[in-house]
Amino acid sequence: QQQVKQSPQSLIVQKGGISIINCAYENTAFDYFPWYQQFPGKGPALLIAIRPDVSEKKEGRFTISFNKSAKQFSLHIMDSQPGDSATYFCAARGAQKLVFGQGTRLTINP
Amino acid sequence: NAGVTQTPKFQVLKTGQSMTLQCAQDMNHEYMSWYRQDPGMGLRLIHYSVGAGITDQGEVPNGYNVSRSTTEDFPLRLLSAAPSQTSVYFCASSPTAHGYTFGSGTRLTVV
Repeated sequence: QQQVKQSPQSLIVQKGGISIINCAYENTAFDYFPWYQQFPGKGPALLIAIRPDVSEKKEGRFTISFNKSAKQFSLHIMDSQPGDSATYFCAARGAQKLVFGQGTRLTINP
Repeated sequence: NAGVTQTPKFQVLKTGQSMTLQCAQDMNHEYMSWYRQDPGMGLRLIHYSVGAGITDQGEVPNGYNVSRSTTEDFPLRLLSAAPSQTSVYFCASSPTAHGYTFGSGTRLTVV
């Protein structure tokens, strides 16, 4: 059973638009929530991360929104660019383990 | 500083064969993990280690063994390969179990 559920499975956004990917979790012991970006043929790379005592974190065009009471968090990509086309994974850390969501394949149309 | 190095990059095995996927990191990271990536399933944790001599099971450990005799190396052993183990395998390391650095992966096909 997947401990972190991610949606949508795939997403197509026009250049300049906002891309939004959502994740939900059940385990309240999770204490760290990163997002990873993966290009074809490469390993995932850390993009941005948040701790549960913070409701939002922004780094450039990338923002994580975190709702502790709903046990949900999301990634927003502002002004999406073709170079952002990749697979995105949310993850959660608990008991010294990092578990991942199912991934979202994002395509930005020029 | 090579980061996380995985070998081989590609491998084809016959059902029942055994092999070891190698993983080495030169960043002196205590935490290391093995994941498998399958379409629609994301990254699933196979085994992980919090330091030399210490390993534990993840979400999908069956059919795989690991050992951690040094900080640098964390090999993954397939004892008797099955077609269900066809996947892309990633090794990752971290100093604190937070920001993991991933290797470039091993694409394994079991026929």
